[in-house]
Amino acid sequence: EAGVTQFPSHSVIEKGQTVTLRCDPISGHDNLYWYRRVMGKEIKFLLHFVKESKQDESGMPNNRFLAERTGGTYSTLKVQPAELEDSGVYFCASSQSGGAIVNEQYFGPGTRLTVT
Amino acid sequence: GEDVEQSLFLSVREGDSSVINCTYTDSSSTYLYWYKQEPGAGLQLLTYIFSNMDMKQDQRLTVLLNKKDKHLSLRIADTQTGDSAIYFCAERRGYSTLTFGKGTMLLVSP
Repeated sequence: EAGVTQFPSHSVIEKGQTVTLRCDPISGHDNLYWYRRVMGKEIKFLLHFVKESKQDESGMPNNRFLAERTGGTYSTLKVQPAELEDSGVYFCASSQSGGAIVNEQYFGPGTRLTVT
Repeated sequence: GEDVEQSLFLSVREGDSSVINCTYTDSSSTYLYWYKQEPGAGLQLLTYIFSNMDMKQDQRLTVLLNKKDKHLSLRIADTQTGDSAIYFCAERRGYSTLTFGKGTMLLVSP
């Protein structure tokens, strides 16, 4: 079974440009999460999809960030326009619904975003 | 202050035991987790403990939870060089949101 995949693995863009990150969750997982780790800091929750609906987007830093999950499969996270402080590693995770109490989240390898 | 705190670095020799500590702040957390991140890889769930438990053992891993002090620890027995990684403590609040610490880098020397 394929795990969570993310694309690209690394992106370097200039301040003011737009970047779109993609996440493909494990097939059949209704829950999809985005997290971000800024250098030297903790991994912070950004938002949570259940299928195509946003269950919780309380962690989104500002309106320059737009996440979508059309069709309830893969998700994209767009940053427009990018700022220097957006640099970090963006992780995606997925989990099953109504499954184990533990609700294990399976993480992708992350996308390293560098804004110069 | 931070929600979840961890020491940033731990260095041990192969064969020794490693203990990674974590403190959290939310007493309503239901589950507490330890994730491992190897270079270039995503986070892998190592083990977890339910908040009404004191201890959980899983092969070389022992998790201790002191709910009164909101302190969680991960002990790795007979640490191997392959255990070198970043270890993240996380707490789960509500339905599914995870709150992570900054991660502890474990370096195991031969």
